[in-house]
Amino acid sequence: QVQLVESGGGVVQPGRSLRLSCAASGFTFSSYGMHWVRQGPGKGLEWVASVWFDGSYKYYGDSVKGRFTISRDNSKNTLYLRMNSLRVDDTAVYYCAKERARGGDLPEYWGQGTLVTVAS
Amino acid sequence: QSVLTQPPSASGTPGQRVTISCSGSSSNIGTNYVYWYQQLPGTAPKLLIYRDNQRPSGVPNRFSGSKSGTSASLAISGLRSEDESDYYCVAWDDSLSVVLFGGGTKVTVL
Repeated sequence: QVQLVESGGGVVQPGRSLRLSCAASGFTFSSYGMHWVRQGPGKGLEWVASVWFDGSYKYYGDSVKGRFTISRDNSKNTLYLRMNSLRVDDTAVYYCAKERARGGDLPEYWGQGTLVTVAS
Repeated sequence: QSVLTQPPSASGTPGQRVTISCSGSSSNIGTNYVYWYQQLPGTAPKLLIYRDNQRPSGVPNRFSGSKSGTSASLAISGLRSEDESDYYCVAWDDSLSVVLFGGGTKVTVL
């Protein structure tokens, strides 16, 4: 079955960087687009970024554009989110998610999330 | 960036029907599919409805989705205590080239 396991979260100071990873299994990773979605404490879900199956297209939410970079390594079945210039309001649980159908679809399966806390 | 508008809360008694609305615009709901997710407290979201009105396998037929113009709705019939959860509508926006989430609706079973 589809498994998505996020890692790399932790406590980081404002202005610093962090890289999240999402290890995928149970499906042909190289055939599906992937998403990162986050949820701040007590807040709703917020889309962060998406990447096509082959990495050719990437999309970002306004709040992270220019600071975060989504990427993937299809040889390692792994999705990444590089987060630079972190701010306090980036504090959230970060979920990776697999698109439902090939070709720019919305999320179907979600990981359990990894917590990022930005604080001095 | 939440331009999909949902009511913050909805409620009903067991067995009742509850409907959650999601209002958007021509560049999102008006031209693209709407998805609905359920998020139980402390857990990851779960896909409930895709492509406006399709249920993934395993989702009870008590849950149904519909769309008209630039608005969509999620209906829960035969409300159960385990339906107490947060619900989110989602759509792609062609003008902004972003995925939009609604602000979420907390359903309470009275």
